Amino acid sequence: GAVVSQHPSWVICKSGTSVKIECRSLDFQATTMFWYRQFPKQSLMLMATSNEGSKATYEQGVEKDKFLINHASLTLSTLTVTSAHPEDSSFYICSAKLGGGETQYFGPGTRLLVL
Amino acid sequence: AQSVTQLDSQVPVFEEAPVELRCNYSSSVSVYLFWYVQYPNQGLQLLLKYLSGSTLVKGINGFEAEFNKSQTSFHLRKPSVHISDTAEYFCAVINTGGFKTIFGAGTRLFVKA
Repeated sequence: GAVVSQHPSWVICKSGTSVKIECRSLDFQATTMFWYRQFPKQSLMLMATSNEGSKATYEQGVEKDKFLINHASLTLSTLTVTSAHPEDSSFYICSAKLGGGETQYFGPGTRLLVL
Repeated sequence: AQSVTQLDSQVPVFEEAPVELRCNYSSSVSVYLFWYVQYPNQGLQLLLKYLSGSTLVKGINGFEAEFNKSQTSFHLRKPSVHISDTAEYFCAVINTGGFKTIFGAGTRLFVKA
């Protein structure tokens, strides 16, 4: 149980385009989802916390207009990287919490390469 | 505020040898503690967690960790490692009334034949 999927797993795009990444909780309802960014050989950096039906809470230094987050249902959150640039290239990982639980379940990650 | 320190960035070890990955945390309130493993190009997989009760926690893949409140540590151990244990390991903490999980910088375990 507690499986989280991400799609796509890999994406390559041209500079200036927008990219949407989906995060789904497959077998549970996730009231809260998290989006992380991970640079090579580094830890996870929390970008934002997404609650179903409300606006996401962004961490300091994360541009909300650049990284659009939508949590439209209890099983789906999306991250859209708008007008992507090469410096946005990274590994993006989502996670989900089951109800008010303390444990996060992570998706497999999406590697974004902006050319 | 909480913080997590993983004392070793890399740990090389021979196959079938024991290993300990160290984790210390700081917090002014009670916490929950976690260990996650990340294989290349994958997300994080929960190895084990401490919420309450017995301070010795057993997880998947033969790993265990011991919560030591006085030393504010949560070290991860395995008595005999396999090549397949080569991965990045993250220690994480969240306060019991909190919302945001704080991750350590990670320890790369490299198991050699």
